[in-house]
Amino acid sequence: DAGVIQSPRHEVTEMGQEVTLRCKPISGHDYLFWYRQTMMRGLELLIYFNNNVPIDDSGMPEDRFSAKMPNASFSTLKIQPSEPRDSAVYFCASSRRESTEAFFGQGTRLTVV
Amino acid sequence: EDQVTQSPEALRLQEGESSSLNCSYTVSGLRGLFWYRQDPGKGPEFLFTLYSAGEEKEKERLKATLTKKESFLHITAPKPEDSATYLCAVLWYSSASKIIFGSGTRLSIRP
Repeated sequence: DAGVIQSPRHEVTEMGQEVTLRCKPISGHDYLFWYRQTMMRGLELLIYFNNNVPIDDSGMPEDRFSAKMPNASFSTLKIQPSEPRDSAVYFCASSRRESTEAFFGQGTRLTVV
Repeated sequence: EDQVTQSPEALRLQEGESSSLNCSYTVSGLRGLFWYRQDPGKGPEFLFTLYSAGEEKEKERLKATLTKKESFLHITAPKPEDSATYLCAVLWYSSASKIIFGSGTRLSIRP
């Protein structure tokens, strides 16, 4: 398996623009997680899905953030409108079932100028 | 609130100098504890899962252990290629499937 695949790897956008990050989880994994990593706050869980259904979005910082999982092999994280404080590395991870380890993608480095 | 605390924040060792990294967590129904390694510019790479006190896992120069309130990642005779940030993550029964990460220990091994 190719592992968790994220795109793009890098994104630079202007403040106010819409940003969409994409993730393809490992086939057969039932759980998908979106994390954000910054120097100040470390790895923060934003939202996670079980069988394509959002279970907990309490980590989503504001209404500007939204996530979808239309099928088992694809998820998006959207920021609209983007702000400079959204600059971070965003990771997607997936796990086979509850209480098992999660496997991470390579991340998307987002810079909002 | 469930918490994960890692120490030290940073650790510099000489090649071959063994040491341990600590991960302490809120004692409120541990479901699983995970160790990851993260290299600069990459995603966290899974190392170990521990589920119950007394459990141990080993991989090359690394050994992870678990007690009722903390976990240790022991590194024996480290090499420069072991330099990375080591992250601990915890899953509690009270938090469904939310895996919460500590802030990590930056490990640097000098040749």
